[in-house]
Amino acid sequence: DAKTTQPNSMESNEEEPVHLPCNHSTISGTDYIHWYRQLPSQGPEYVIHGLTSNVNNRMASLAIAEDRKSSTLILHRATLRDAAVYYCILRRFYGGATNKLIFGTGTLLAVQP
Amino acid sequence: GAVVSQHPSRVICKSGTSVKIECRSLDFQATTMFWYRQFPKQSLMLMATSNEGSKATYEQGVEKDKFLINHASLTLSTLTVTSAHPEDSSFYICSARTSGRAFGYNEQFFGPGTRLTVL
Repeated sequence: DAKTTQPNSMESNEEEPVHLPCNHSTISGTDYIHWYRQLPSQGPEYVIHGLTSNVNNRMASLAIAEDRKSSTLILHRATLRDAAVYYCILRRFYGGATNKLIFGTGTLLAVQP
Repeated sequence: GAVVSQHPSRVICKSGTSVKIECRSLDFQATTMFWYRQFPKQSLMLMATSNEGSKATYEQGVEKDKFLINHASLTLSTLTVTSAHPEDSSFYICSARTSGRAFGYNEQFFGPGTRLTVL
């Protein structure tokens, strides 16, 4: 499986934007970029995913580099409830053994009031 | 999004006993479910993939006779930790993959997790 690299931790202030980077230099053409987050003692929560174009939803935006070797999750206005571990994961869309989510170490986001 | 539930949310058992954890997709059918384990301050580790009506596929290093997985219906998968020992104490999380388009095609949704403590 193609690997992702994320910073171990980041800090943000409440109500400020947060940009969480992810490098995936070995991404293949059929890999989707997924972001999940995990709050303490909870299961992961889907945030957003994309393939080539930038994506927006009610939770966040995903900016994907033109060569797809990196991406950035953008939280437009961080709140205390956004403090979590954020995972950037590559997943192949078609079925089979590769169509499963393999978690890396993620980025622990701390939000200061 | 789609809802996945787990039961129980936490369980404490004595060493040597077996514990069953249920995972249900509440508002969608899931032909494929996944079981993960997470130790404190570590990431999720995929244990196995289960497909409805067939045997589970275990990841390398996971003992299939110790972690029994049954996926008998499109909405229910169970994980049984047999002869549990203190080193099996962990946070077990299930995930279900959508097969229709109601919640997005081929997306994975996660349960809230089950905290297992073996004394």
